[in-house]
Amino acid sequence: AQKITQTQPGMFVQEKEAVTLDCTYDTSDQSYGLFWYKQPSSGEMIFLIYQGSYDEQNATEGRYSLNFQKARKSANLVISASQLGDSAMYFCAMREIWGSNYKLTFGKGTLLTVNP
Amino acid sequence: EAQVTQNPRYLITVTGKKLTVTCSQNMNHEYMSWYRQDPGLGLRQIYYSMNVEVTDKGDVPEGYKVSRKEKRNFPLILESPSPNQTSLYFCASSLQGLYQPQHFGDGTRLSIL
Repeated sequence: AQKITQTQPGMFVQEKEAVTLDCTYDTSDQSYGLFWYKQPSSGEMIFLIYQGSYDEQNATEGRYSLNFQKARKSANLVISASQLGDSAMYFCAMREIWGSNYKLTFGKGTLLTVNP
Repeated sequence: EAQVTQNPRYLITVTGKKLTVTCSQNMNHEYMSWYRQDPGLGLRQIYYSMNVEVTDKGDVPEGYKVSRKEKRNFPLILESPSPNQTSLYFCASSLQGLYQPQHFGDGTRLSIL
């Protein structure tokens, strides 16, 4: 079974609108971290936002917020007021203990296109 | 500026010619890791290091070596590169812990002919 599932290979959104990118995860651990990264066409990986498994409040970082539903094992990224520069690949990732490793496992990503 | 620096950014080389991709971070992070990114396969961990002189295999270590002699540096060595190692490589670093985000370098595009 996949650890991180991103069911939307591609998403389109109009500039200035909000968009939600879905992410579900699979773990039996109680302690883990959830992260979102952005990869523009230039290739670099940019950290956006994170949520700890014990955090009760949803994380927010500027226009990014993370809709964390622990019972459903989902950690969706919400981007408000989309901009053209938000067009990129977005990866959800989970960090958990794996032997001696604080291992980070990535989903397959969602390609977001923001239309003018 | 806090950053992870990889070099080179791009490299085209031939099968069997040893190469090293350097990685350096200036954030005093204990944890460092190498990933490769391939279409359809996503990002996969090659090696990681929990601290100086402590390294271990990730999911796809075959054909790679690493060393961690200093806290800031974590080079990736391909002793005898083969075409199936053509990929986009990322170095990342973080503080120890599950809630610490990993910070990535800009990536190295390797083509092995």
